[in-house]
Amino acid sequence: AQSVAQPEDQVNVAEGNPLTVKCTYSVSGNPYLFWYVQYPNRGLQFLLKYITGDNLVKGSYGFEAEFNKSQTSFHLKKPSALVSDSALYFCAVRSHNAGNNRKLIWGLGTSLAVNP
Amino acid sequence: KAGVTQTPRYLIKTRGQQVTLSCSPISGHRSVSWYQQTPGQGLQFLFEYFSETQRNKGNFPGRFSGRQFSNSRSEMNVSTLELGDSALYLCASSLDVTGSGTEAFFGQGTRLTVV
Repeated sequence: AQSVAQPEDQVNVAEGNPLTVKCTYSVSGNPYLFWYVQYPNRGLQFLLKYITGDNLVKGSYGFEAEFNKSQTSFHLKKPSALVSDSALYFCAVRSHNAGNNRKLIWGLGTSLAVNP
Repeated sequence: KAGVTQTPRYLIKTRGQQVTLSCSPISGHRSVSWYQQTPGQGLQFLFEYFSETQRNKGNFPGRFSGRQFSNSRSEMNVSTLELGDSALYLCASSLDVTGSGTEAFFGQGTRLTVV
């Protein structure tokens, strides 16, 4: 079955320290991978995506993610966390169904808390 | 450019009633997807519309339906509401269908409470 796992419900990091939010996936074929962020009482905002090309993808707000095919992972990273990065982060992968029957499969989200 | 607009923002309905939620996508976007978000289940895909045609459907009962108009605005309807339908309903618009890999832009959602 096609799936996305975000193994950590919550990640805590001190401001200024590097942060990592983990995501692993299971889909057939070449995956399309996405990260979104959700601030309280808001919809989701697109951060970055991997379709093809360089395994290191840079996105909004200083975030980046590395696609690792052998480990089927797409971890989100930032070199120096800000308190304002505190939010709920979602990883998603496009399913690899035949024809038009493709949709995004979402992880359950990881709550990031950056402490001052 | 205006973002994705969802109305209403909040709704309280009684079991057995029906409800219609509205979504206006970003201008020029032809794809609209709907999701149900709950704390325990995360984001669950409801359906996707592109150029007035339903392109894909999630695993929800037939009480959940939707449509898209020629101006790309979309509505979703839930009939015979159940307590378990209480959730945040999110609409996302994109230039192309989900399968193309294009990113989605989300509205702020409609918070539905069924009592």
